[in-house]
Amino acid sequence: GQQLNQSPQSMFIQEGEDVSMNCTSSSIFNTWLWYKQDPGEGPVLLIALYKAGELTSNGRLTAQFGITRKDSFLNISASIPSDVGIYFCAGQPTDNPYGQNFVFGPGTRLSVLP
Amino acid sequence: AAGVIQSPRHLIKEKRETATLKCYPIPRHDTVYWYQQGPGQDPQFLISFYEKMQSDKGSIPDRFSAQQFSDYHSELNMSSLELGDSALYFCASKFRLNTEAFFGQGTRLTVV
Repeated sequence: GQQLNQSPQSMFIQEGEDVSMNCTSSSIFNTWLWYKQDPGEGPVLLIALYKAGELTSNGRLTAQFGITRKDSFLNISASIPSDVGIYFCAGQPTDNPYGQNFVFGPGTRLSVLP
Repeated sequence: AAGVIQSPRHLIKEKRETATLKCYPIPRHDTVYWYQQGPGQDPQFLISFYEKMQSDKGSIPDRFSAQQFSDYHSELNMSSLELGDSALYFCASKFRLNTEAFFGQGTRLTVV
């Protein structure tokens, strides 16, 4: 089945630094979603990407849908302590919006040092 | 804005007991997904429903069943619970013409 890989697995950064993480797949995806999860809570949707090459921002977050449709990256600028958490990418592998489940990557765990 | 509501938030059961988890999607959302997340793992897809019909099936054990009701809420029924079923269970919902799925806060199931 489809699998997503995320890198890095974890990262420690200083407050104020910029962060970059990415998500890759061996299969083509039609939608990429980026979620953030705090411990014990549900994933919260950050950004949704719908077409190849699309670049979307949400505050300090910027994400891009790779032109090959097999990858996506997420950038966080000027990190702050509340950015701590696990960032998951998720993709919907086909054009069928009714039934296909979202495939999740293993996550990137972000720690922000004051 | 209303979000996905899951109940209960926490549940403790003994081995071989049964459990029922409930999910109330965002109003007007007609698609529901169930995910299981073990400690340190990414969410694993269990099953989904669209317009009260099962639309996709993932790694859901035969001991589990689920359905979506006429008001679009969904229930995940888990029988003969095993220690390995201890996990966070998330429900997500979306409207069929959109591709953005929103998650509930999850139910933490502990089997002892």
